[in-house]
Amino acid sequence: KQEVTQIPAALSVPEGENLVLNCSFTDSAIYNLQWFRQDPGKGLTSLLLIQSSQREQTSGRLNASLDKSSGRSTLYIAASQPGDSATYLCAPRRATAGRRALTFGSGTRLQVQP
Amino acid sequence: NAGVTQTPKFQVLKTGQSMTLQCAQDMNHEYMSWYRQDPGMGLRLIHYSVGAGITDQGEVPNGYNVSRSTTEDFPLRLLSAAPSQTSVYFCASSYGEGNEQFFGPGTRLTVL
Repeated sequence: KQEVTQIPAALSVPEGENLVLNCSFTDSAIYNLQWFRQDPGKGLTSLLLIQSSQREQTSGRLNASLDKSSGRSTLYIAASQPGDSATYLCAPRRATAGRRALTFGSGTRLQVQP
Repeated sequence: NAGVTQTPKFQVLKTGQSMTLQCAQDMNHEYMSWYRQDPGMGLRLIHYSVGAGITDQGEVPNGYNVSRSTTEDFPLRLLSAAPSQTSVYFCASSYGEGNEQFFGPGTRLTVL
């Protein structure tokens, strides 16, 4: 069974800092991995989808990397802003066709101080 | 596009009552799924569907039923609510089972 761990569980930084959120998973047989953000009381917003054959995926100030063989992904946020404050969730997708479900970590709660 | 919509936003039930959580998407997505989110446990998959007429169980299916008669709709039924089903429920959809998933705003359910 896939287990997903996100470190740190919570992070508070001043505005403008570059930061890295870590995600590790136990089963490296994944199809792809998706990063989400969740604002309090809201649904999940997709940030990046990185395929198992990719090493990196970028969107604006966000960069996700994937090292499938070691079961790790990182989300890099450049020049953080107060609007980035949210919980960030990592979710690898199982590789088995017909059963490609996402497994979620518990998230990293980010607070960016103005 | 409205994306993925869920109704109701909030619901309070008494133990033993039944109800249906509604989920609809207007993106012509084949894959739809239901998750529950509990503090400290992350999101867990309840049921999913790879297309109209096809459903399957996820990690925590007990106490929940689903059906998929149309591409757009994927309702989740609680047959006899229990306090352990108090949670926030999210519906999600994607073009295919391996594609980027989009989530609805959630339904916060309390069972007394």
